[in-house]
Amino acid sequence: EVQLVESGGGLVQPGGSLRLSCAASGFTLSNYRMNWVRQTPGKGLEWIAYISSRSTTIYYADYAKGRFTISRDNAKNSLYLQMNSLRDDDTAMYYCAAENLAVPGPLDYWGQGTLVTVSS
Amino acid sequence: QLVLTQSPSASASLGASVKLTCTLSSGYSDYAIAWHQQQPEKGPRFLMTLNSDGSHTKGGGIPDRFSGSSSGAERYLTISSLQSEDEADYYCQTWGAGRVFGGGTKLTVL
Repeated sequence: EVQLVESGGGLVQPGGSLRLSCAASGFTLSNYRMNWVRQTPGKGLEWIAYISSRSTTIYYADYAKGRFTISRDNAKNSLYLQMNSLRDDDTAMYYCAAENLAVPGPLDYWGQGTLVTVSS
Repeated sequence: QLVLTQSPSASASLGASVKLTCTLSSGYSDYAIAWHQQQPEKGPRFLMTLNSDGSHTKGGGIPDRFSGSSSGAERYLTISSLQSEDEADYYCQTWGAGRVFGGGTKLTVL
């Protein structure tokens, strides 16, 4: 069964840092492009960042540039999101999502999310 | 700028059909999109990829009750024989350099 499991969320103070992880099981991560998406409480989905299968191409949403860093370790079947200088409005559920190499664009698989709360 | 527009809410009766709309911004009417479903307290689930010609490819396990169609810049998701578990938020998504989501439609099954 294809599964994505996020971890690393929690309570962090404004200005702090957090590193999220996404572990893949049931499939080989290197066959997928990967994304991070977030959802603030009661709001819609918001794309954060994209990384190609071999990390050669990376895109960020404007609000994430300079503060968030997406990376992956295909040998560990894992995806990461380093978040620095966190603000109150970064409070959200964070999801990782996979795109099949054969059909780029649609997010085919989603994790269940990890909750990040930024508060003093 | 690539933008997807969705109505915030929709409702339909149990057993009826409903058609949700996602509109691509001007100049992007030939773009494909994806539809995703998010049931309460759950992560999103991929439903289908929908092309500008109306052809669509569904994800694994998606019932035949879910179908897609297109007209110009509009992309539609039709759900027939509505069931209670179809009550959810539905998001359209597309892609360019980055990935873009519509604001989502909250479907209520009456």
